[in-house]
Amino acid sequence: EVQLVESGGGLIQPGGSLRLSCAASGFTVSSNYMSWVRQAPGKGLEWVSVIYSIGTTYYAASVKGRFTISRDNSKNTLYLQMNSLRAEDTAVYYCAGALDSSGPKGRCIDYWGQGTLVTVSS
Amino acid sequence: DIQMTQSPSTLSASVGDRVTITCRASQSISNWLAWYQQKPGKAPSLLIYKASSLESGVPSRFSGSGSGTEFTLTISSLQPDDFATYYCQQYNSYSGYTFGQGTKLEIK
Repeated sequence: EVQLVESGGGLIQPGGSLRLSCAASGFTVSSNYMSWVRQAPGKGLEWVSVIYSIGTTYYAASVKGRFTISRDNSKNTLYLQMNSLRAEDTAVYYCAGALDSSGPKGRCIDYWGQGTLVTVSS
Repeated sequence: DIQMTQSPSTLSASVGDRVTITCRASQSISNWLAWYQQKPGKAPSLLIYKASSLESGVPSRFSGSGSGTEFTLTISSLQPDDFATYYCQQYNSYSGYTFGQGTKLEIK
C-alpha cells in the first residue's frame, strides 16, 4: 500500500528555516516524480516544487532561491528545505507523487500525504 | 507560465442535479489535465486524469472532457458526498504544475 507521511511542520519566526520530511512506503521515491504542494489557510492549492526521477528539480517562482527539494534514496524519503521563511509561506504542505509516470497518467499526481502545517509568525 | 482559470468559484446545487465546472488554460495543454476533489481538512483526491480518464474507484457519475485550452468536469447526478471543492490542474509543462483557483460546490 502506498503511503506518504509528512513531518517537520511547526511554528517558525519570519526569516527562519525549517525542513519538511516525507517518508514514503509502498513505492520507491527515487523512481518517481515527487512534488510538494501547499495550501494557505482558506486558500487554494499551490504547487511548490518537483523532483524527477533523473534528479532534475523545478520550483514555483514564489519559493525559488529559498526552498530546496531533495531526497534520500536510502531512507526512501523526500525533503523540502525552507529558508528565509515569510508570513506568506504559512500553509499546509503536502507531499505528493506521480507514481504512474511511465503509464497512461504520465506526470499526473495520484498520491498525496496528509499534510503538515507550517506557520510563520513572530 | 501556464495559468489555469476555473469557473464558477462557487456553485450551489441540490442532490440529484447535474453540474458542470469549467477550466481554461492560458495556452494549449493538449489533454494533460487532472481534476481533484478536496474535502475540508483532507488532502486532495484524484478524480480524472488526461482530461477524460476516470481514476480507479471514482464513481462513474464523474466525467471529464476537453482538450487544448477548454475543459469541463461534469457530475451527472449530485450525491451528498460530492459537496466539496474541486480543482483542475495542468501537467503539460515539465517545469511545473498549475492548479485552478478551485470551485466550491455547496448545497442549495
